[in-house]
Amino acid sequence: GQNIDQPTEMTATEGAIVQINCTYQTSGFNGLFWYQQHAGEAPTFLSYNVLDGLEEKGRFSSFLSRSKGYSYLLLKELQMKDSASYLCAVRDRGFKTIFGAGTRLFVKA
Amino acid sequence: KAGVTQTPRYLIKTRGQQVTLSCSPISGHRSVSWYQQTPGQGLQFLFEYFSETQRNKGNFPGRFSGRQFSNSRSEMNVSTLELGDSALYLCASSLDEQVRGYTFGSGTRLTVV
Repeated sequence: GQNIDQPTEMTATEGAIVQINCTYQTSGFNGLFWYQQHAGEAPTFLSYNVLDGLEEKGRFSSFLSRSKGYSYLLLKELQMKDSASYLCAVRDRGFKTIFGAGTRLFVKA
Repeated sequence: KAGVTQTPRYLIKTRGQQVTLSCSPISGHRSVSWYQQTPGQGLQFLFEYFSETQRNKGNFPGRFSGRQFSNSRSEMNVSTLELGDSALYLCASSLDEQVRGYTFGSGTRLTVV
């Protein structure tokens, strides 16, 4: 079966750095996505990785290792507004996009 | 430009009824996907349509169906509603087959009583 694993919850302090890990086992691979979802709102696209390595976009960076079936989302200079769920998603060989259950991040002052 | 529009926003139905949800993607987007989101299960994939063709289908019973029209608007239908169908149904559109990321609508919150 297809499986995407992320930690359920994480807590970090304002101004700090947090790394949210994602491991996946899917039928093939055609890209990995990270989305942010605030409570009561729709998910919004953060990043896309299809090749190994680090993609940086402002305070957010995403890393991919296809051989290890592993990705992480790195959030720097945490702000209170970063409190949200972070969803890892993988597009498989058949171009179906499968989501993990998400990681709820709590940023405390 | 207008985002992804889903109607209605909220819906209350009785067990056994059927329901139709609508999604208008961003202008120019030809790919539309549907997801069911529940607190315990996260986002579960329902269908993906591209240029009026269903390209992928998730592991949902046949009571869940969908279609896409020539203007890329999409509908999904759930027949013989069950209590467990209560969820947020999200529609997502993207520009073309090589998805770089979805734009999600605000969703339809369906409650089955």
